[in-house]
Amino acid sequence: QLQLQESGPGLVKPSETLSLTCTVSGGSISSSSYYWGWIRQPPGKGLEWIGSIYYSGSTYYNPSLKSRVTISVDTSKNQFSLKLSSVTAADTAVYYCAGGDPGGMDVWGQGTTVTVSS
Amino acid sequence: DIQMTQSPSSLSASVGDRVTITCRASQGIRNDLGWYQQKPGKAPKRLIYAASSLQSGVPSRFSGSGSGTEFTLTISSLQPEDFATYYCLQHNSYPHTFGQGTKLEIK
Repeated sequence: QLQLQESGPGLVKPSETLSLTCTVSGGSISSSSYYWGWIRQPPGKGLEWIGSIYYSGSTYYNPSLKSRVTISVDTSKNQFSLKLSSVTAADTAVYYCAGGDPGGMDVWGQGTTVTVSS
Repeated sequence: DIQMTQSPSSLSASVGDRVTITCRASQGIRNDLGWYQQKPGKAPKRLIYAASSLQSGVPSRFSGSGSGTEFTLTISSLQPEDFATYYCLQHNSYPHTFGQGTKLEIK
């Protein structure tokens, strides 16, 4: 059974780069059956799709974040990662990684809280 | 971008009630829509995929319908554990977009 777990710093300073990793277990990140993505949720607000990456390496990003976002895969570690540069307080949120099948995002990590503050 | 307009934003109901939540897409998305349930402090959980297919393990009181631009999630008889926030998500085209959410509260 596929499981995902986010990891990374819980506190990031303004203007710095937020870096998170999602470790996939119970399956191969190279599988063509899944694609991988990041979603975030600011405190008390709704869900925002950040971006996705496919086994082919193709990436798709939310235009509102595109200039600051990079999603990549490390097949040797069965992990994928999120980098968000030039963060501000508006980037404070719970960040989820997820695996998608043809029906959309299926398996989710438990989420990790990232606070942007000096 | 495809906008997903979800309604209502909040809903008060009683155990045993039948409730319906709607998502409207700003353009046609075929049946590329899922419904998610989120409880406080937890990750979203997919209930419905492909607009009307029930996720394995999800109670049959949950059902989805629709295609194109209008979609509904119906809970046929509310149970205490169903009080949560519900979101739709379209994955027809990028960027994928969520509805604003519907908070289902106990009356």
